[in-house]
Amino acid sequence: DVVMTQTPLYLSVTPGQPASISCKSSQSLLNSDGNTYLFWYRQKPGQPPQLLIYELFNRFPGVPDRFSGSGSGTDFTLKISRVEPEDVGVYYCMQSIQPPLTFGGGTKVEI
Amino acid sequence: EVQLVESGGGLVQPGGSLRLSCVGSGFTFSNDWMHWVRQVPGKGLLWVARINGDETNIRYADSVKGRFIISRDNAKNTLFLQMNSLRAEDTGVYYCTRGGSPFYWGQGTLVTVSS
Repeated sequence: DVVMTQTPLYLSVTPGQPASISCKSSQSLLNSDGNTYLFWYRQKPGQPPQLLIYELFNRFPGVPDRFSGSGSGTDFTLKISRVEPEDVGVYYCMQSIQPPLTFGGGTKVEI
Repeated sequence: EVQLVESGGGLVQPGGSLRLSCVGSGFTFSNDWMHWVRQVPGKGLLWVARINGDETNIRYADSVKGRFIISRDNAKNTLFLQMNSLRAEDTGVYYCTRGGSPFYWGQGTLVTVSS
């Protein structure tokens, strides 16, 4: 199974400041089709996860452009250019290059 | 608007069975891969199973293989998860998700396995 490791576990941020979350996979998520099957989700309290970034860097419709995904191979980063109060929640990375799909342990973002 | 509505959760004793359902709307259900993902309250996410549109490609997490069955009724836009021989560690909120990878998520249904 592909192991996904997220850091940090907790992130305390100041509104208006940037923030970043790291995710590492135990094997490359670059597929032969040229896509990298790395996804980012945010889960607010009492809600299901919501997709932010798909296939490494593509913002899901409706996701603000302050969110960006980058990386390659096994090292990935989610960046928030300017944190806003509504960005609090738990952020997860996930791989779907091969089953079983696996998630990182989560990063709790607090203001 | 895409909607996924799960139902069927509840309290069940260890060794018991439960059948979860998920009704999809706002998209062509029969075309889409669907998944079940579990989350223990306050904990992380665990992928459970996935199925393609015509049920020819099905995969399970090792922890549920042989006990859970994922299926679908495209005429009724409904995804199912038959859960047998339930264990305490199967407890959690079960989310139905849509997409080759999980793009859209339902609100979830809570399954509690306890005596």
